[in-house]
Amino acid sequence: QVTLKVSGPALVKPTQTLTLTCTFSGFSLSTGGVRVSWIRQPPGKALEWLARIDWDDDKFYSTSLKTRLTVSKDTSKNQVVLTMTNMDPVDTATYYCASSKRDGNWFDPWGQGTLVTVSS
Amino acid sequence: DIQMTQSPSSVSASLGDRVTITCRASQGISSWLAWYQQKPGKAPKLLIYAASSLQSGVPSRFSGSGSGTDFTLTISSLQPEDFATYYCQQANSFPLTFGGGTKVEIK
Repeated sequence: QVTLKVSGPALVKPTQTLTLTCTFSGFSLSTGGVRVSWIRQPPGKALEWLARIDWDDDKFYSTSLKTRLTVSKDTSKNQVVLTMTNMDPVDTATYYCASSKRDGNWFDPWGQGTLVTVSS
Repeated sequence: DIQMTQSPSSVSASLGDRVTITCRASQGISSWLAWYQQKPGKAPKLLIYAASSLQSGVPSRFSGSGSGTDFTLTISSLQPEDFATYYCQQANSFPLTFGGGTKVEIK
């Protein structure tokens, strides 16, 4: 059974850097074709894809956020880490991680998500 | 970036109704489209991938169609557990993008 779980701070201050960790089980990021993405959702708003890291360490980023995002993986720990610099109140959202496979860029399954609030 | 436009943004329907949600891509994406269902406080769930393929475990009352720029999600007979928000997502090219969502509400 594939599961993913996001961990990180619930509250960050403006200008700070957010670091989130996606810890997964049931698959390995060293297996060909496996990918993990980050997606966020501001309260009451739509989903926004942020970044993806692949089994071969290829990385892809949102056009509008790419200067602020870094995604990395620790295959031995079954973890993917997202850092987002210069946090702003508009970055308040629930942050999800989700897996996808070689067959397509859709997400299944998703982790439960964590709400990050940006406020001083 | 490819823009995904869903309509309507909300729909009120009764149990047993047939519900259709549309999604339009700003450029052709072949069949690289997915549909998700999201209930309040929960992560989205994949319903349909490759425009018309039903994800394992998803009831057959859900179906998807379309290719190119115009896509449709249909619920053939609305059930109580189907009241939720639905999102389309293009899987053709980076950055991956979602539609604005369609909330299916009880009439």
